[in-house]
Amino acid sequence: NAGVTQTPKFQVLKTGQSMTLQCAQDMNHNSMYWYRQDPGMGLRLIYYSASEGTTDKGEVPNGYNVSRLNKREFSLRLESAAPSQTSVYFCAVTRDSGNTIYFGEGSWLTVV
Amino acid sequence: QQPVQSPQAVILREGEDAVINCSSSKALYSVHWYRQKHGEAPVFLMILLKGGEQKGHEKISASFNEKKQQSSLYLTASQLSYSGTYFCGTEGRDSSYKLIFGSGTRLLVRP
Repeated sequence: NAGVTQTPKFQVLKTGQSMTLQCAQDMNHNSMYWYRQDPGMGLRLIYYSASEGTTDKGEVPNGYNVSRLNKREFSLRLESAAPSQTSVYFCAVTRDSGNTIYFGEGSWLTVV
Repeated sequence: QQPVQSPQAVILREGEDAVINCSSSKALYSVHWYRQKHGEAPVFLMILLKGGEQKGHEKISASFNEKKQQSSLYLTASQLSYSGTYFCGTEGRDSSYKLIFGSGTRLLVRP
């Protein structure tokens, strides 16, 4: 029972390259989130999906796109990576609003 | 609107108490509390849903003042394992599911 699985765990990109971060959950939860956390800083919401088929912008959506592929999977795409997107990215899931949120282990992304 | 946490940092001796506050400018549906150790993912502590609700787990408890749009996390008789960064997250009444976190409070417990 893996819970929330993020891939890749580490990635180095060159400026302008594109990549997709994958998140998959086996908890059968409805809502999924993508956060970023810069060194020594808090968690900032990029996008979230309250349920399958819906996605909404969070606090810092610029430069990112998301796809809720099905109930299990929620991907985050960087179309043209910039050094300012160097961060740790966390995927999170919850059964419903007002419930415990479970985080993945994080994906460390460096853009050079 | 990001909730505001205070203080930004706390240093304690083992056995001392601490209070971390979280306030919002919006009407709240829920308040979440998480703890994060360096290099790890945040770990759930508790959720408060009702105004005035207080929850506790061992020596860590929290309250939610719905009217003041504030929550406080109480750490009593602190242990070395309590060290880490504490985050509150809030869902607004008009924006449920959109969980926004504060900037965190760094807690260091020394022997």
